[in-house]
Amino acid sequence: DVKVTQSSRYLVKRTGEKVFLECVQDMDHENMFWYRQDPGLGLRLIYFSYDVKMKEKGDIPEGYSVSREKKERFSLILESASTNQTSMYLCASSGGDRANEKLFFGSGTQLSVL
Amino acid sequence: DQQVKQNSPSLSVQEGRISILNCDYTNSMFDYFLWYKKYPAEGPTFLISISSIKDKNEDGRFTVFLNKSAKHLSLHIVPSQPGDSAVYFCAASAGGGATNKLIFGTGTLLAVQP
Repeated sequence: DVKVTQSSRYLVKRTGEKVFLECVQDMDHENMFWYRQDPGLGLRLIYFSYDVKMKEKGDIPEGYSVSREKKERFSLILESASTNQTSMYLCASSGGDRANEKLFFGSGTQLSVL
Repeated sequence: DQQVKQNSPSLSVQEGRISILNCDYTNSMFDYFLWYKKYPAEGPTFLISISSIKDKNEDGRFTVFLNKSAKHLSLHIVPSQPGDSAVYFCAASAGGGATNKLIFGTGTLLAVQP
């Protein structure tokens, strides 16, 4: 069964802290994504990666960076957490010909920045 | 600007009746559309998709209709079951390819009353 695993379900951090959100997939997918979900705003793409060491900005990359050193792992980094980054963060992966369809999502990390 | 819009934040239907969830888009380059379902504390899961060369795709109780001239798609669930209660997101992509990305709507919360 396909699996995308996010390291933490809930996370509480303080303003200004550096935050790492980890995501691992076991499907040998080329593409990995980070979204955030906010009420009334749906899912918004932060960053994505279509290959190891490659990254592309999504729609809301400000305040975030990413790292993809290995194919199965995609990390989201909040350089200096702020309260407006309190959100549900969802990692996803995909593969295949139409590579961005049928995203497989992790269970999400609910991040609270105080 | 919101390229994919779900104008109904919520919908309530009786068990056994039809649920109709609507989605509008503005980008005429979109050629592939998907619906995802999300339960609380879980990641979204793929439900059904449709290519722009079709106007209907059916999978069991779920049918997606696409009206390209109106830039509108809808998801029909017949008959609705209490287990269908979830947030439904429509999503769209243009052109495929490894670096393409899905654009999600804001979601509709469906409540199926027993």
